[in-house]
Amino acid sequence: DSGVTQTPKHLITATGQRVTLRCSPRSGDLSVYWYQQSLDQGLQFLIQYYNGEERAKGNILERFSAQQFPDLHSELNLSSLELGDSALYFCASSVGGAPNEQFFGPGTRLTVL
Amino acid sequence: TQLLEQSPQFLSIQEGENLTVYCNSSSVFSSLQWYRQEPGEGPVLLVTVVTGGEVKKLKRLTFQFGDARKDSSLHITAAQPGDTGLYLCAGATNAGKSTFGDGTTLTVKP
Repeated sequence: DSGVTQTPKHLITATGQRVTLRCSPRSGDLSVYWYQQSLDQGLQFLIQYYNGEERAKGNILERFSAQQFPDLHSELNLSSLELGDSALYFCASSVGGAPNEQFFGPGTRLTVL
Repeated sequence: TQLLEQSPQFLSIQEGENLTVYCNSSSVFSSLQWYRQEPGEGPVLLVTVVTGGEVKKLKRLTFQFGDARKDSSLHITAAQPGDTGLYLCAGATNAGKSTFGDGTTLTVKP
């Protein structure tokens, strides 16, 4: 158990819908990272937040947004969902702002029908 | 964009054999991590290497960071079925970005 929690574990929805994925980092960690993992694209970095502020941005679509709250939990919002958004979404956390050692949650499996 | 290339992409061996997987880049990283991931679960951090030429050992696993901090290798001695999984390397830059390789899928047959 990494100490990082993610909810829900599974999510099935339809195209065009909007969903919110939730992540709680390890106690004491200030950074939260979001990743998308699909079979054909490996683990893709989406975005990082550090102590409530956006720190780094990866290949995140404009339909996706995230935020980190004062209690350091984070939410990833996915809107206007497409079939191709079906994937595993992982959250990771680290102590500082540098992504040297990340601890991953169990992931949310999103299926868009 | 920093790219990390891992090889081989797939590796299937018998229990007891030794193996080495590689992680290469044309970019310099401030640190490099190795993770192991099982199907449907999140990656688990195995090790971080920071200094060029650094060698770290974790039981039967030996990790090496290249002198120029552009590449790394993972050597497993006497592989066991429990070593089966996806091995990912990730490079971190001073700019605060982390890049993951596509991984090596290792299968160890009993």
